[in-house]
Amino acid sequence: LAKTTQPISMDSYEGQEVNITCSHNNIATNDYITWYQQFPSQGPRFIIQGYKTKVTNEVASLFIPADRKSSTLSLPRVSLSDTAVYYCLVGDRDNAGNMLTFGGGTRLMVKP
Amino acid sequence: DADVTQTPRNRITKTGKRIMLECSQTKGHDRMYWYRQDPGLGLRLIYYSFDVKDINKGEISDGYSVSRQAQAKFSLSLESAIPNQTALYFCATSDHPGTPSREKLFFGSGTQLSVL
Repeated sequence: LAKTTQPISMDSYEGQEVNITCSHNNIATNDYITWYQQFPSQGPRFIIQGYKTKVTNEVASLFIPADRKSSTLSLPRVSLSDTAVYYCLVGDRDNAGNMLTFGGGTRLMVKP
Repeated sequence: DADVTQTPRNRITKTGKRIMLECSQTKGHDRMYWYRQDPGLGLRLIYYSFDVKDINKGEISDGYSVSRQAQAKFSLSLESAIPNQTALYFCATSDHPGTPSREKLFFGSGTQLSVL
């Protein structure tokens, strides 16, 4: 059973704000939410992590509502170089007990 | 991440051959992982190790074995390679912040393995 659900793909244009939402209805009380970015033929790279409300760093913002059943990764003013796959991970195990599972992620395509 | 080094970057081998992929890290992390990624898909965990004396199977361990030679080294072996093991393999390390779900993974650049 997947622990998270994300859109398979999204398109955007340069300069726009992109919001990618991840659903995690079964999030546990002590689970943190972590997002990674992966460029083609490279390993995923940590972007941001949060537990509740809002977290912001130099790359992105992460919005988490009070019920924590979803989270939204926000990329401000995207550029072509933001074209990548974005993965949402919740906690350290999925519903089957598998460790640190990466689902299919969201494939973001930024167009000029 | 340059602190996690995988060798080789590319490897072509034949069915039935034994092959080893190596991973070394300078991050000082205790935890190390091997993942496999097939085209267009997410990453699947093969094996992981929380310290030198600890080895655990991941989601897809069949056909693979690992060795944790030191804190900094974690190697993955395919005892008898088969074509459906053709994939991109990633090694990763993680910090251990005390709260399991707060781990952050740091990945190597990957090894593209082709089994003919």
